[in-house]
Amino acid sequence: QITLKESGPTLVKPTQTLTLTCTFSGFSLSTSGVGVGWIRQPPGKALEWLALIYWDDDKRYSPSLKSRLTITKDTSKNQVVLTMTNMDPVDTATYYCAHIIGYYCGGDCYSHWFDPWGQGTLVTVSS
Amino acid sequence: SYELTQPPSVSVSPGQTARITCSGDALPKKYAYWYQQKSGQAPVLVIYEDSKRPSGIPERFSGSSSGTMATLTISGAQVEDEADYYCHSTDSSGNHNSVFGGGTKLTVL
Repeated sequence: QITLKESGPTLVKPTQTLTLTCTFSGFSLSTSGVGVGWIRQPPGKALEWLALIYWDDDKRYSPSLKSRLTITKDTSKNQVVLTMTNMDPVDTATYYCAHIIGYYCGGDCYSHWFDPWGQGTLVTVSS
Repeated sequence: SYELTQPPSVSVSPGQTARITCSGDALPKKYAYWYQQKSGQAPVLVIYEDSKRPSGIPERFSGSSSGTMATLTISGAQVEDEADYYCHSTDSSGNHNSVFGGGTKLTVL
């Protein structure tokens, strides 16, 4: 059974750096095709993809947030860490991590999906 | 930036068929995925690669894709299917960046 859980501060001040940790079990980030992604959801709003990292340390970032994000993994600890710099009140959201299966399906075809998700952690940005 | 467009809301009576659409220019070449999010809960994958159903997802959930539109169909919708539904796909940048639609609130009553 795959489980993931997000941890980190519930409150950060504007301009501070947010560090979130995703601790998982039931899979290994050294297995081919496996990854972990981060997605956030402001209160009452839609999901927004942030970043993902694969077993081979391939990293992808949302183009709109790329300059502020860093994703890393610690395979031995079964953890993935996301840092986001220069936090602003508009970054107030529930942050989710999720297990990914990804693979190239021929030509330009690439398939990946988020399943399952962690319970999420609400981060509020306020002074 | 690439966008996926969903209707804000869909409403059906119990037992009716609900159809939720997702439109995007890259969908002819990219897979669509669908997630269900009930109030206060994390999203759950209900359809992957346009039309495949994960284990444990009821058969009444199905997916299809044609041209620039993907569709999630719930045949015989039940009260417990009331939730927000999000489509997910990737852009055509070559980096396979993930994108989510704006979400559709399904009301079953």
